[in-house]
Amino acid sequence: DADVTQTPRNRITKTGKRIMLECSQTKGHDRMYWYRQDPGLGLRLIYYSFDVKDINKGEISDGYSVSRQAQAKFSLSLESAIPNQTALYFCATSDRGKRGNNEQFFGPGTRLTVL
Amino acid sequence: QQQVKQSPQSLIVQKGGISIINCAYENTAFDYFPWYQQFPGKGPALLIAIRPDVSEKKEGRFTISFNKSAKQFSLHIMDSQPGDSATYFCAAYGSARQLTFGSGTQLTVLP
Repeated sequence: DADVTQTPRNRITKTGKRIMLECSQTKGHDRMYWYRQDPGLGLRLIYYSFDVKDINKGEISDGYSVSRQAQAKFSLSLESAIPNQTALYFCATSDRGKRGNNEQFFGPGTRLTVL
Repeated sequence: QQQVKQSPQSLIVQKGGISIINCAYENTAFDYFPWYQQFPGKGPALLIAIRPDVSEKKEGRFTISFNKSAKQFSLHIMDSQPGDSATYFCAAYGSARQLTFGSGTQLTVLP
């Protein structure tokens, strides 16, 4: 079984619709992250959470919100989707790590298309 | 503002050749520099990483070279194989407790 799972894997939606992407992990990690990947831009951090009560904005949080329902679950919502939110979205997890090396473990990604 | 600049954007190498990907950073607070490898349809996965107190780290055919004074680091893939064809991301981690990624390099190794 995969350690970090994302649902759905693919989603096509229309402008203005509310979308939720879900992430679950069985690694027992405290820290969870949401990134989006666009060609030529690499991975950009949307939100991150170091524990259930700790939510932080990343580089590109505008238009997104998150919920950390439990240690193992971290959801990303697009309240009103727009076409430039079309991208590949990744969830990742990490432990506190030794000497702060912060190795992150990524899920398989969700490909979102907003028409 | 891109804090980690990566080049080239794409790279084509013959089997057995050396692949070299370069990254440069601005923030001197970064203290951990990993490389991630991503195959099509998969999430990125940690390949190799280095701290700035050493100038080189080697794991099998993969080597990171680090130049602290120039604020640059590079990934060298020796004896490149078709199975190495993937997208490679450099990254940097520091006091902000976040990974900042480069823009990625798509490597194609021709058989």
